[in-house]
Amino acid sequence: QQQVKQSPQSLIVQKGGISIINCAYENTAFDYFPWYQQFPGKGPALLIAIRPDVSEKKEGRFTISFNKSAKQFSLHIMDSQPGDSATYFCAAARDDKIIFGKGTRLHILP
Amino acid sequence: GAGVSQSPRYKVAKRGQDVALRCDPISGHVSLFWYQQALGQGPEFLTYFQNEAQLDKSGLPSDRFFAERPEGSVSTLKIQRTQQEDSAVYLCASSSLRVTYGYTFGSGTRLTVV
Repeated sequence: QQQVKQSPQSLIVQKGGISIINCAYENTAFDYFPWYQQFPGKGPALLIAIRPDVSEKKEGRFTISFNKSAKQFSLHIMDSQPGDSATYFCAAARDDKIIFGKGTRLHILP
Repeated sequence: GAGVSQSPRYKVAKRGQDVALRCDPISGHVSLFWYQQALGQGPEFLTYFQNEAQLDKSGLPSDRFFAERPEGSVSTLKIQRTQQEDSAVYLCASSSLRVTYGYTFGSGTRLTVV
């Protein structure tokens, strides 16, 4: 059973455009929702995170929107840049575990 | 060190061989985690240590997998009698806070079983 479902699998966006990645979760006990960015040959790096009592969090060009009733959350990357090309993972955490989605490969066209 | 260090970076093992993967966490980090990342997939939880205590090993796929952290710092993930399905990147992460604040991953060890 996949506890965190992520879409799309891959995404191509023009430079300057908005990249949007969506996630849905099953377990209402999750209490922390991070997004990770991973470049080839590297481990995932924490990008931004939100708690379920907040509906939106913005850090620079990155925004998380959170819909607790729908059990969905999304990442928006504004003014997408070629350097943003990477794999992005949404995740949900509770106690000692972080459960990752399957990832979205994002490619920003120059 | 400045980050989480994993060694070796690459390991090729013949099927049936035993392997040991090492993780050096960030100095002073209490929590240490192991994840397995198959090609094109997200990381999957294997096990979690707080200091030297292994608090959760529910993600270890079989009894061929064993992890230890005897002195509460360096950790070793051991895989006995490797199988082809064990081929993956093994990621280690450490944290100084409760896990929900996010933790720092190493670059991983890519294990290929032939």
